[in-house]
Amino acid sequence: DVKVTQSSRYLVKRTGEKVFLECVQDMDHENMFWYRQDPGLGLRLIYFSYDVKMKEKGDIPEGYSVSREKKERFSLILESASTNQTSMYLCASSLDGREVNEQFFGPGTRLTVL
Amino acid sequence: GQNIDQPTEMTATEGAIVQINCTYQTSGFNGLFWYQQHAGEAPTFLSYNVLDGLEEKGRFSSFLSRSKGYSYLLLKELQMKDSASYLCAVIDSNYQLIWGAGTKLIIKP
Repeated sequence: DVKVTQSSRYLVKRTGEKVFLECVQDMDHENMFWYRQDPGLGLRLIYFSYDVKMKEKGDIPEGYSVSREKKERFSLILESASTNQTSMYLCASSLDGREVNEQFFGPGTRLTVL
Repeated sequence: GQNIDQPTEMTATEGAIVQINCTYQTSGFNGLFWYQQHAGEAPTFLSYNVLDGLEEKGRFSSFLSRSKGYSYLLLKELQMKDSASYLCAVIDSNYQLIWGAGTKLIIKP
């Protein structure tokens, strides 16, 4: 059964802290994605990766960085958290490169920055 | 710019039928997904359309008209567990997924 897991369901951090969000998939998928989801805005792509050590900016990369050292793991880093980064963060993975494949999502991390 | 439009919220009655519309303007088109997302949970895949016409999958059907930039998700025999948000997403010419803001469907007994 397909599975994407995220390190935390809920996280509370203070402004200026460094935040790590971890995502692991067990499906041997090539592609991994980080989104944030805010009410009325839908899913917005932060970063994605088509392969190990590879990363591409999405629509809203400012204030974020990512790391993909292993195929199954894709980390999202907030170098210095700010209150406007309070959001639901969703990780997803899909099968192969640049073909059309459905994305499988993790349960999400609801991050609150105080 | 790229744009996906869906109604923000819809209400329907248990046992009835509801149609959720999605219109899109994107740079290219390589298919359209519908996902279901229950409150506080991850989106899960419902359907994929790339050719015009209706795809039926049990109580759920999805329709696509590429010339009109239009799709709908049809839910029949509504059940209380169908209360969720329904997300429309289009794959553009760069194979990027463009997401709509989602339609919150409320089912009343």
